[in-house]
Amino acid sequence: AQSVTQLDSQVPVFEEAPVELRCNYSSSVSVYLFWYVQYPNQGLQLLLKYLSGSTLVKGINGFEAEFNKSQTSFHLRKPSVHISDTAEYFCAVRRFGNEKLTFGTGTRLTIIP
Amino acid sequence: SQTIHQWPATLVQPVGSPLSLECTVEGTSNPNLYWYRQAAGRGLQLLFYSVGIGQISSEVPQNLSASRPQDRQFILSSKKLLLSDSGFYLCAWPRDNYGYTFGSGTRLTVV
Repeated sequence: AQSVTQLDSQVPVFEEAPVELRCNYSSSVSVYLFWYVQYPNQGLQLLLKYLSGSTLVKGINGFEAEFNKSQTSFHLRKPSVHISDTAEYFCAVRRFGNEKLTFGTGTRLTIIP
Repeated sequence: SQTIHQWPATLVQPVGSPLSLECTVEGTSNPNLYWYRQAAGRGLQLLFYSVGIGQISSEVPQNLSASRPQDRQFILSSKKLLLSDSGFYLCAWPRDNYGYTFGSGTRLTVV
């Protein structure tokens, strides 16, 4: 079975500063990787996904993530954050040939004005 | 267009009362559907999934049940709510074979 670890439960960042949200996964087979964002009292919205090919994936709202197979990581980054980026971010993994998503416990990103 | 609807948005229920949350999908047929629960500080836990009418798989033993009475309808129920059932419930649909589309969620508070 696969698992996802988000080491940081909360990350405070000053506005216009860069941010990195960490995600590590464990799986004995190849996987697809995802980042979702959840604004307060809303469902989850897909930020970006890695399926294959280039290890640097660009998503919506200026976010990007890099797949590192040797370190089994898929960290999310943004060079300059805005107040509107305040939300909870979830990393998720899905095995090839299996539809089920396994989620991390989430990272709450707080932007400080 | 393909959309997923969830209601109600918020619900406050006393301990021991019944529960019914509904999820419907539009613009597709025979979708696989999932129920997740998000408890404070615990991420998303898969509760049930369904591959078709009357077909329900449970991922964790609990006080809840699910049903799929129609192709595009997925219902989460409980006969008697517990305090521990409080949380944010999300319906999800693996729309494009790689990720999910989520409903807007139901915030359930059991008092």
